[in-house]
This record gives sequence, structure tokens and C-alpha cells, in this order.
Amino acid sequence: GAGVSQSPRYKVAKRGQDVALRCDPISGHVSLFWYQQALGQGPEFLTYFQNEAQLDKSGLPSDRFFAERPEGSVSTLKIQRTQQEDSAVYLCASSLGPGTSYGYTFGSGTRLTVV
Amino acid sequence: DQQVKQNSPSLSVQEGRISILNCDYTNSMFDYFLWYKKYPAEGPTFLISISSIKDKNEDGRFTVFLNKSAKHLSLHIVPSQPGDSAVYFCAASANTGFQKLVFGTGTRLLVSP
Repeated sequence: GAGVSQSPRYKVAKRGQDVALRCDPISGHVSLFWYQQALGQGPEFLTYFQNEAQLDKSGLPSDRFFAERPEGSVSTLKIQRTQQEDSAVYLCASSLGPGTSYGYTFGSGTRLTVV
Repeated sequence: DQQVKQNSPSLSVQEGRISILNCDYTNSMFDYFLWYKKYPAEGPTFLISISSIKDKNEDGRFTVFLNKSAKHLSLHIVPSQPGDSAVYFCAASANTGFQKLVFGTGTRLLVSP
């Protein structure tokens, strides 16, 4: 597709449940980013992939968060044993390359609500 | 520790007037700055950027000014239009090999007809 596609758009999870959020980046985009946006806040960096390599995961809040991009295209963000503080919009973005000359394109996000 | 700060949560402007959105940062390693616009239920969309080697960048109605000594940047929208009503995020990155963005908390702009 023409843009970054994220699914599902909305997810309600019971506390303790595992969830998986999917990101389909723009075809050919090497770089892929995940951000978390809590209510009333700006997006916060979670992790970065260059092709299939996860080069930075310093923003993942705990070891309950895991991201993968096994074939260098689609990426999945998995959250195990969800907690209420995980409620947020999870944004995926992709770009042609890592440098600042390449702009990001964000997806519309997945809104996760943990009840 | 908020490295990028947008101290005005909201701003109201009349159509045709200038909108000025402000952003301050604390990390002197930041060398690239961006503004994003976000509508409800959509992802942020890129508006305009500026490198730290410049102090001004202009694109149509949008101009970004950078004052490195004050660690301050601003976005000017002239003339403002009702369609500009959205949340505006300031973001910054340091030269770490890839563009890891640090965002501010956003300013909600309302442009009234």
C-alpha cells in the first residue's frame, strides 16, 4: 500500500493478557520505528529496526515488551501480561533510510486499552 | 526528564492571523529539529524541519526558526487557516546514526473562521 498500515486499529485487553500489534511499512523502507503515545503526551521511542536487525531497543519499558521484524518488512510488537499502564497508542513509522534526509511516515496507530 | 518542552498546551488564533508555536529543548546534542501535525485518530504527519546549521527554514505558509543559543525553536504559520487546527508536535534528534526522535507534549492549535 501507499502508507504505513497498522492493525488492529483498536485493541481492548484484559489485564494479564498477551497482545500482538502489527505494522506493515511502506514497501522498500529499510528503517522501522515503534513509538508509544500515552494520553496527553508526545510519542516516545520504543525500538528501531534496520531491515531485520533490531539496532536499538532502549525505549522498551520492560522485558514484557518484545518486537521483531524477521524478514525485514512486517513488524510485530508483542506485549506480554499487559498492565493498565500499557494503555496507549502504539505508532509505527518507516523511512527509506536511517539518516535525517529520509522523512518518517507514521501509521495511524493501534490504540490499546487494558482493562 | 523532558528534553523537549512545549509549554503551551493550546493556542487559539483567528483565520488569517499568524500562529506561533514554541518549543524549548535541553539536550545540546540535538542537531535536527522537526515539526509534526496530528489530526485525531491519525498518525503524525511531517510538516517542516531544520538542521542546527541553519536558523530559518521556510516552506510556503510554514516557517521554522531556530535559536541555538537559547535552545528554542518556533513554528510560524502565516496566514492561519481553519484546516490548520490540529495538535502540533516539536521533535528533535541527535546524530546517533539513525533518526531517533524525542517529541514534546504537543500544542493544540485552534484556528477559528
